[in-house]
Amino acid sequence: QVQLQESGPGLVKASETLSLTCSVSGASMTSYYWNWIRQPPGKGLEWIGYIYYSGSGSGSGRTNYNPSLESRGTISLDTSGKQFSLRLRSVTAADTAMYYCASRHEDSSTFSFDYWGQGTLVPVSS
Amino acid sequence: DTQMTQSPSSLSASIGDRVTITCQASQDIANSLNWYQQKPGKAPKLLIYDVYNLKKGVPSRFSGSVSGADFTFTISSLQPEDFATYFCQQYHDLPLTFGPGTTVDVK
Repeated sequence: QVQLQESGPGLVKASETLSLTCSVSGASMTSYYWNWIRQPPGKGLEWIGYIYYSGSGSGSGRTNYNPSLESRGTISLDTSGKQFSLRLRSVTAADTAMYYCASRHEDSSTFSFDYWGQGTLVPVSS
Repeated sequence: DTQMTQSPSSLSASIGDRVTITCQASQDIANSLNWYQQKPGKAPKLLIYDVYNLKKGVPSRFSGSVSGADFTFTISSLQPEDFATYFCQQYHDLPLTFGPGTTVDVK
């Protein structure tokens, strides 16, 4: 059973960088697309981006990001540490959200998010 | 981006009711549509993938269908544990996008 667990600072100041990590158990790091999704309080879901293993060593991966981030986001992969991370630069109050990590198996016929972490709330303070 | 809309945004229903939610995409997404359930304070859970297919372990009272550009999610007989918010999600195009959600609450 795949299990995901987010961890992060709990609070970020505006203009600084938000950093989150998702720890993975029960799954091969090289067999999934690893995603970040966020949900502002009381609002809907926004896909942030994904990374998947590109076969060229730990930390390397192919990524795709939501253009709404305006190039502020970076997702990285640590296969040996069994985790992946999100860095979001120059945050504003609009980045306040519950942040989820989620996975999709590389062989899946659909791009669905089969496993999710419990989420971590990141308020951005001014 | 492919924009997803859902209707209604909320509905009130009673145990045993048949509940139907509709999702539309701003452009053709073929059958690239999934449905999720989210309860307060919890992460979403995948219920249906590729329009029709129930994820393993999901009760058969949940179903999905499509007619033209309208994707439909149905609960045939609402149970107490089904009060939640439901989201559709398309994966035909990047960025992946979700509908705004439909909240099903107690009538």
